[in-house]
Amino acid sequence: SQKIEQNSEALNIQEGKTATLTCNYTNYSPAYLQWYRQDPGRGPVFLLLIRENEKEKRKERLKVTFDTTLKQSLFHITASQPADSATYLCAFQQWGSQGNLIFGKGTKLSVKP
Amino acid sequence: KAGVTQTPRYLIKTRGQQVTLSCSPISGHRSVSWYQQTPGQGLQFLFEYFSETQRNKGNFPGRFSGRQFSNSRSEMNVSTLELGDSALYLCASSAGPGQNYGYTFGSGTRLTVV
Repeated sequence: SQKIEQNSEALNIQEGKTATLTCNYTNYSPAYLQWYRQDPGRGPVFLLLIRENEKEKRKERLKVTFDTTLKQSLFHITASQPADSATYLCAFQQWGSQGNLIFGKGTKLSVKP
Repeated sequence: KAGVTQTPRYLIKTRGQQVTLSCSPISGHRSVSWYQQTPGQGLQFLFEYFSETQRNKGNFPGRFSGRQFSNSRSEMNVSTLELGDSALYLCASSAGPGQNYGYTFGSGTRLTVV
């Protein structure tokens, strides 16, 4: 069956370190992969999008990679800050599936000062 | 510019009742999607509308329905509410194919069924 897994439910790191979050998928052929941040009681906020033919995307302190051979995406936050503490969600979209994002359960990141 | 607006923010309903939730997308966005978020299941896709047409539907019972108006505003309706329908309902809009732009979510409507 189709499955998306974000390897850690929670991740605790020290301020200034790089946070690395993992998203694995099985039995999908995603065309696009997106990462979102969600704070308690709020809707997800779009961060980055990467296409299946792209290996890496960067935006300020954020970096996302997409490996279709390993069926995995990695999301990195460099020089992490306490304000980065939130739940991070990966989401896939397949060709032709308008509006239908398939989300992972999320990883709750806590950055300690 | 204003974000995606969902009303109401909170709602308490009794089992068996029906409920209507509203979503106003970002001006100019024609695609509106709806999601249900629960602690156990995470975010699950309900349906997507574009230019008043439902283009995609998730695996939810027929009690869940929606529509989109000519101004792109959307509503979703849940009839014969069950306790398990308690969730955060999120609406998202997109400027174009979401694959290129990502989606902008509203803050959601927290529905509690008692």
